[in-house]
Amino acid sequence: GQNIDQPTEMTATEGAIVQINCTYQTSGFNGLFWYQQHAGEAPTFLSYNVLDGLEEKGRFSSFLSRSKGYSYLLLKELQMKDSASYLCAVPLTGGGNKLTFGTGTQLKVEL
Amino acid sequence: GAVVSQHPSWVICKSGTSVKIECRSLDFQATTMFWYRQFPKQSLMLMATSNEGSKATYEQGVEKDKFLINHASLTLSTLTVTSAHPEDSSFYICSARFDRGKETQYFGPGTRLLVL
Repeated sequence: GQNIDQPTEMTATEGAIVQINCTYQTSGFNGLFWYQQHAGEAPTFLSYNVLDGLEEKGRFSSFLSRSKGYSYLLLKELQMKDSASYLCAVPLTGGGNKLTFGTGTQLKVEL
Repeated sequence: GAVVSQHPSWVICKSGTSVKIECRSLDFQATTMFWYRQFPKQSLMLMATSNEGSKATYEQGVEKDKFLINHASLTLSTLTVTSAHPEDSSFYICSARFDRGKETQYFGPGTRLLVL
């Protein structure tokens, strides 16, 4: 089976940096996705990691350690519009692009 | 980028009626589409995989006779909630598979269903 763990919620200050962690257990590994979801809207793609290391894309970076079953999403220079739920997801092994989602981390950015 | 639409965006219906939700890929063909359900403050739960030209495959615990899926063309999949009940009230989201670089699923904007 597959299991994904994320913190339920986090609070950070505008302009700061926040790291959202995700740990996973899978029988196989086909990469890890991060999505952003604003309330009442569909998820939007942020990143996909399949190799170890850090990938940077503007204010957002994503890190993966396959040996530790661990990933994090790093958000820099936080803006109020970054308040959203951040979902960690992994493809089901042998599942043909089916995704299993974590419960999501609700991030609240405050002044 | 690839665009996926859903219709309607929201619907209110009486208990016992059936509701059809459409999912369209607007600028690409999708042989595979996925239907998810999301309850408030919970994550997306995959309900079924919709395959063009064949029967949908349902996840464990999802009633295939209650949630009818038809993938009639390479750009359209429909989900029909039959004999809806208040506990079916949820946010239904579809996604379409399209392999473009790292992003392999494009999500529709979702349909909010409220059953009275």
